[in-house]
Amino acid sequence: QKEVEQDPGPLSVPEGAIVSLNCTYSNSAFQYFMWYRQYSRKGPELLMYTYSSGNKEDGRFTAQVDKSSKYISLFIRDSQPSDSATYLCAMSPLRTSYDKVIFGPGTSLSVIP
Amino acid sequence: DVKVTQSSRYLVKRTGEKVFLECVQDMDHENMFWYRQDPGLGLRLIYFSYDVKMKEKGDIPEGYSVSREKKERFSLILESASTNQTSMYLCASTPGLRPYEQYFGPGTRLTVT
Repeated sequence: QKEVEQDPGPLSVPEGAIVSLNCTYSNSAFQYFMWYRQYSRKGPELLMYTYSSGNKEDGRFTAQVDKSSKYISLFIRDSQPSDSATYLCAMSPLRTSYDKVIFGPGTSLSVIP
Repeated sequence: DVKVTQSSRYLVKRTGEKVFLECVQDMDHENMFWYRQDPGLGLRLIYFSYDVKMKEKGDIPEGYSVSREKKERFSLILESASTNQTSMYLCASTPGLRPYEQYFGPGTRLTVT
C-alpha cells in the first residue's frame, strides 16, 4: 500500500460546480497536510496547509483533515476555468528537518466554461 | 516574491553522458530539495540539503549525486545518464521555520536517448 493515495482523475466539471478532491494515507505520524496546485509545464505551488485535524478556509478553497479516518479533502467552490490544473496532496510529520514530505500522484482537474 | 530558478527547461542527453542540473533560490532558504516527477508516481525525493555542504539521501538516490557549495545553489548530477532517468526534475526550497511551505522551480524536462 502506498503511503499516500489519490485518485488521478481526470476530473471534468462545468464552471461554477463544487469540486471535491481527496487523498487517503496510512502513516498516523503525519501532522502537516498540504495541497499544491500545478499548472501545465509549471512547478507546483502551495495552495493551503493544515496542521493536525480540522478545516481551513481560504476564499473559494476549503481544506479538511480527518485524522481518525486518515482522509483529507480539498473543496473548491464556484470553480473557474482558471482552476484547471493538477492538484497534489502532500503530508509529513515535519517534527525534524529530516522528515520528508510525501506527495500524492495528483488529480487532474478540468473546469469547462 | 520567492523565486526558484532552474538552469534549463528542456534537456536532451545521450546515454552515458554526465548531466548537471542547477537550481538557485533567492530567499535565503535553508532547505533545498531535488524531486523527479513521473506520471502516476507523483513527486519522488532524490536528495535534499538542510545546510551548505550537507546532503541527505531521499527515496531514490541511486544514479544521482548532489552538491551544495553555496546556500542559494543546489546542483543535481547524473553521473552516467540512462534512459530510465528520462523525467521531469523539480527543485524546491523551504524556509527553516516553515518546512511545509515548499517553493518549486519550473522544472527541467530531461530526455535521455
